[in-house]
Amino acid sequence: NAGVTQTPKFQVLKTGQSMTLQCAQDMNHNSMYWYRQDPGMGLRLIYYSASEGTTDKGEVPNGYNVSRLNKREFSLRLESAAPSQTSVYFCASVPAWGNQPQHFGDGTRLSIL
Amino acid sequence: SQQGEEDPQALSIQEGENATMNCSYKTSINNLQWYRQNSGRGLVHLILIRSNEREKHSGRLRVTLDTSKKSSSLLITASRAADTASYFCATASSRDDKIIFGKGTRLHILP
Repeated sequence: NAGVTQTPKFQVLKTGQSMTLQCAQDMNHNSMYWYRQDPGMGLRLIYYSASEGTTDKGEVPNGYNVSRLNKREFSLRLESAAPSQTSVYFCASVPAWGNQPQHFGDGTRLSIL
Repeated sequence: SQQGEEDPQALSIQEGENATMNCSYKTSINNLQWYRQNSGRGLVHLILIRSNEREKHSGRLRVTLDTSKKSSSLLITASRAADTASYFCATASSRDDKIIFGKGTRLHILP
């Protein structure tokens, strides 16, 4: 089982460039999440999708858009990257049945110059 | 602001001692989860405690939950060098599907 797969693993962008981070899970999970983690900080929720076709804002949604393409895939888009968006981005998913832990991808390290 | 807040922010103890870290949260939850993260790595799930549970054990880990105080604690007994990591609590809201993390506790086990 691949679990949660994030691509790319590393990316360097220039300020103003756009980029889409991809996330796919093969566990038939309903809910998917995007987080960012800055140095010395916990994970902050950007957006989440409780089910296919729905998306909701998290704690820090500004500057990002998301798309729940189908049940497997949940992408995160930076339309105009800013240095403040330099971070490690994690995708996670959770089964539909209750009280289960999140499954995380390995993260994408994104640097904005 | 983040839902879960861990305390202390950093903790250094001698190998073999017990380590306790706490998590406080603000709203109603379905469950509370603890994760470990080694430096530069991803998150590893440790234990999940449901809102109707008060205590849970897994190996050397013991988690308590007090919903009246909106707080949880993680106890690691007989600590080992390999336990050096950051530990995070995450709360699953009972109102929506949000799962929010705290800022974490950095645990350092001294040889």
